[in-house]
This record gives sequence, structure tokens and C-alpha cells, in this order.
Amino acid sequence: GENVEQHPSTLSVQEGDSAVIKCTYSDSASNYFPWYKQELGKGPQLIIDIRSNVGEKKDQRIAVTLNKTAKHFSLHITETQPEDSAVYFCAASIGGNQFYFGTGTSLTVIP
Amino acid sequence: NAGVTQTPKFRVLKTGQSMTLLCAQDMNHEYMYWYRQDPGMGLRLIHYSVGEGTTAKGEVPDGYNVSRLKKQNFLLGLESAAPSQTSVYFCASSPLAGGWNEQFFGPGTRLTVL
Repeated sequence: GENVEQHPSTLSVQEGDSAVIKCTYSDSASNYFPWYKQELGKGPQLIIDIRSNVGEKKDQRIAVTLNKTAKHFSLHITETQPEDSAVYFCAASIGGNQFYFGTGTSLTVIP
Repeated sequence: NAGVTQTPKFRVLKTGQSMTLLCAQDMNHEYMYWYRQDPGMGLRLIHYSVGEGTTAKGEVPDGYNVSRLKKQNFLLGLESAAPSQTSVYFCASSPLAGGWNEQFFGPGTRLTVL
């Protein structure tokens, strides 16, 4: 099956700085890559996603990039705010019914 | 809309006991999923369902059973709980094939097996 690796496992940034989280995947057939944000005590919530026919997608302060050749994708958060503090998960899907998640990144934004 | 709800929120079991976790969604979604979340391991798919009356195995199905008798409900059963099943369990649903649609997650059930 698919194997998704995520780095770093923890990340601390000063408020206003940028944060970057990286994921790699193993199966070249994967074609959908969502990012989820999980706040303490809650279920994950989709924040942005990208399909394999697109190289980059942006939504306000959040962007995701995909490099199919290298099989990696990244989440970029600019102008970080304290409310961005959470655990972020990347995932990959082979267009079927199963998602494979990374191990998560705990982001702390220091005011 | 309540979205995805899970019952119960917390549960403590003794080894060998059985229990059922209930997931309900009011969004008329076709697909439903059960995941477990363990520290340092992310979310792993246990079982999923592509529609009423259907179920399929995910990445870590051993020790669990599921049923989808009604479209809005997806039940996860543990017949004989083991300490290795201590985890946080999340249910999710999506409107169509999960590969192209957002999954909506419930708030989770924290299960401890002693």
C-alpha cells in the first residue's frame, strides 16, 4: 500500500513568520492530496487539497505545492497567527476509497 | 445539521469485553469510514463503507467488525477488546468517492482498554 512520510513532527514559529510542512508518498498512482488541521479534542478538518493535475494551489494564507516527479507535496502557511497552532496531517489517496495519512506535525505559533 | 456525531465520547473497557461505537451523519453521504489515531502514527483506516449494506477492510481491520444497515449510521464493533485497541477512534463521511471529496470527521471516541 501507499506510505506517506511527514516532516517535521513538531514546528515552532514566531507569529508572522512562515511555516512549511513536507510530505512524501511512495505510490505514483496517488492523485489526491488533502491537508487536515486538527485542533485539540476535535476531529481533523480539511483546510486545502490538491489534485495530481495541478502543481500549486493557494487559499489566502495557505498554499500547497505538489511535485509528482519527486513524489512530495508541501503545506505553506504565511503570516502565521496563534490560531494556526494545531496538528496538521497530510494524506494521499489513489483516487479510490482509501486515504493514507502522514504522522502529523504539531505547529506552535509563538505570540 | 449536526454533521458527523459519535457515541460515546469516552469509554473504558476491561480486556475481553465487547462494545459498539456508533457513528451517525445527517449529510446524506454515501461513504463512511472508521479510523484509529495513535500517538506518532497518524490516522489509520480500519474499515469503510461505500454505501448502505456494504463494508470493506482498510489498513488495520483485525479485531474489529462493522455494519452499515442504514445509510446514515456506521457501527464499529470490538468483540473481545485488547489493550492494543486503546486509541482514539474517528468516524468520517464523504459524499462520493473519498479520493476526490472532502472527508468530514466526527469529534472522536477515546477508548481505553485495561
